[in-house]
Amino acid sequence: DQQVKQNSPSLSVQEGRISILNCDYTNSMFDFLWYKKYPAEGPTFLISISSIKDKNEDGRFTVFLNKSAKHLSLHIVPSQPGDSAVYFCAASGNQGGKLIFGQGTELSVKP
Amino acid sequence: GAGVSQSPSNKVTEKGKDVELRCDPISGHTALYWYRQSLGQGLEFLIYFQGNSAPDKSGLPSDRFSAERTGGSVSTLTIQRTQQEDSAVYLCASSSDRTNYGYTFGSGTRLTVV
Repeated sequence: DQQVKQNSPSLSVQEGRISILNCDYTNSMFDFLWYKKYPAEGPTFLISISSIKDKNEDGRFTVFLNKSAKHLSLHIVPSQPGDSAVYFCAASGNQGGKLIFGQGTELSVKP
Repeated sequence: GAGVSQSPSNKVTEKGKDVELRCDPISGHTALYWYRQSLGQGLEFLIYFQGNSAPDKSGLPSDRFSAERTGGSVSTLTIQRTQQEDSAVYLCASSSDRTNYGYTFGSGTRLTVV
């Protein structure tokens, strides 16, 4: 059974500091993605990483993949109040095109 | 349309009634997904349509749930004899192919069963 877990339901960070969101997975996955969700809106794609890489960077957002630990993390630096949202980790497994999502982490960036 | 459209945005129904939730995917997207998010939970996969292939129904929680996709476009998720535990936000997404990066979500339908 393939699972994706985000063990921290919430995170609070001061504006300008680094936000680190974590995600763990079981079994082998192929691609990993982070989605961002504002209230009353659908999730929007943020950044992704292939299982053949260990880092992908896009502006203030960097995703790190540690395959031996089956762990990935999203770093946001510097954090901004507009980054306040729920962040979902997702992964594609051997089950076709569908994604398996984590429970989400609610990030709050304080001015 | 420019995005994935879902209707209604909110639905309150009495326990035991049937409900239909509609999803209009982005034109030309061949893949369509239904997920739901219950209070305090992550996104739970329900069903996946890809082109003319048989849908992947492995996530449907019970036989009260069914979904159709007509003409390779609009999809309807039907919940029969609704229960309180069906209360959730039901999200639809579409993508141009099996490449996950192309997932575009709608804003969801918030279903409340009273």
